[in-house]
Amino acid sequence: QKEVEQDPGPLSVPEGAIVSLNCTYSNSAFQYFMWYRQYSRKGPELLMYTYSSGNKEDGRFTAQVDKSSKYISLFIRDSQPSDSATYLCAMIGSSASKIIFGSGTRLSIRP
Amino acid sequence: GAVVSQHPSRVICKSGTSVKIECRSLDFQATTMFWYRQFPKQSLMLMATSNEGSKATYEQGVEKDKFLINHASLTLSTLTVTSAHPEDSSFYICSASGTGGLQPGELFFGEGSRLTVL
Repeated sequence: QKEVEQDPGPLSVPEGAIVSLNCTYSNSAFQYFMWYRQYSRKGPELLMYTYSSGNKEDGRFTAQVDKSSKYISLFIRDSQPSDSATYLCAMIGSSASKIIFGSGTRLSIRP
Repeated sequence: GAVVSQHPSRVICKSGTSVKIECRSLDFQATTMFWYRQFPKQSLMLMATSNEGSKATYEQGVEKDKFLINHASLTLSTLTVTSAHPEDSSFYICSASGTGGLQPGELFFGEGSRLTVL
């Protein structure tokens, strides 16, 4: 079993829709949770960073962490074609040793 | 966010030659740099972790004599693919973490280098 599971997609939604991206994990030691966005042929960029359980909102993006269920989500409101990219979840333990990435979900927003 | 510059963005070389890729942190001190390899439509595969002034730690299955990593300063790490072969063709990405208020796991990535070995 992988430490982090993420549906690879592809996920295609119409412009303006709410997008929900999710990851599950098995290691209860993970404390810090990140979402990275990667455009084609580019390096990933940090989108959201959260610590432990709870919600964090930044513009149209909301990151949600449920440590009891070992489940994290990224919501995108009012999705735009420019949001089309691969979204990678990532997490790390309190010892800050190695970051574990999900496999990435390819998202396509249709105009 | 912090800026990481990676160069070259694209390189084509003949089989048997060596290729060097540079990764620079432009506005922070990168105490740790990571090198990843990414195949089309797949996630990042960590190759090695390098701390400034120390030998790199390689992931299982990654040949350290094939992929030479040097992290001689707090702003520069290099990956040299030695005696490259077509199967080494891939997208290589560096990332960095370090001082200056960065959180654990807060990585900043370079733009990636696409290597094609003919």
